[in-house]
Amino acid sequence: KNQVEQSPQSLIILEGKNCTLQCNYTVSPFSNLRWYKQDTGRGPVSLTIMTFSENTKSNGRYTATLDADTKQSSLHITASQLSDSASYICVVWVSGTYKYIFGTGTRLKVLA
Amino acid sequence: SQTIHQWPATLVQPVGSPLSLECTVEGTSNPNLYWYRQAAGRGLQLLFYSVGIGQISSEVPQNLSASRPQDRQFILSSKKLLLSDSGFYLCAWNLFSRGSYGYTFGSGTRLTVV
Repeated sequence: KNQVEQSPQSLIILEGKNCTLQCNYTVSPFSNLRWYKQDTGRGPVSLTIMTFSENTKSNGRYTATLDADTKQSSLHITASQLSDSASYICVVWVSGTYKYIFGTGTRLKVLA
Repeated sequence: SQTIHQWPATLVQPVGSPLSLECTVEGTSNPNLYWYRQAAGRGLQLLFYSVGIGQISSEVPQNLSASRPQDRQFILSSKKLLLSDSGFYLCAWNLFSRGSYGYTFGSGTRLTVV
């Protein structure tokens, strides 16, 4: 069964600290993986997209990694800011279909 | 550039009333279109997707229906709303012909059924 699991479910960190969010997937066949940031009451916004041949991709303070062998991805946030408080969703595209499989997200709260 | 519009942003409707949410995409042609629902504190649930005009695929049985009257227009409807239809509804698009190009979300509609 195609599934995407994220951990932790929620996370609280102090402003300026780093954090890493995890995503494990069992999607097959795998095409690509995206990380989205969703502010409360808003639509998700794409942070990164990675294909199976990419190991690392950065977008400002966000760095995503992908290990296609172990089917794991992580999103590292450096020098967190209050505006990073949001839900972060890992999404995997099922190759040959029209659908993405969504993780349930990690809710991050950054405190001053 | 491509943009996706979704409206209204907020809606409060009584039980038993009809529903119509609209989503339009600009700047591209023949997009795949999706409707999602997100319950409070929960993940996104795919409701419908469409790969062309008049083509609708339903993911879960429910009180809702979808239509695609034009290439870049996707409508979510209900004849009689239930309390359980409350949630955050999101429209999204992508271009399958270019792999997974796009997959951009609209800003969402917060629906409260009272």
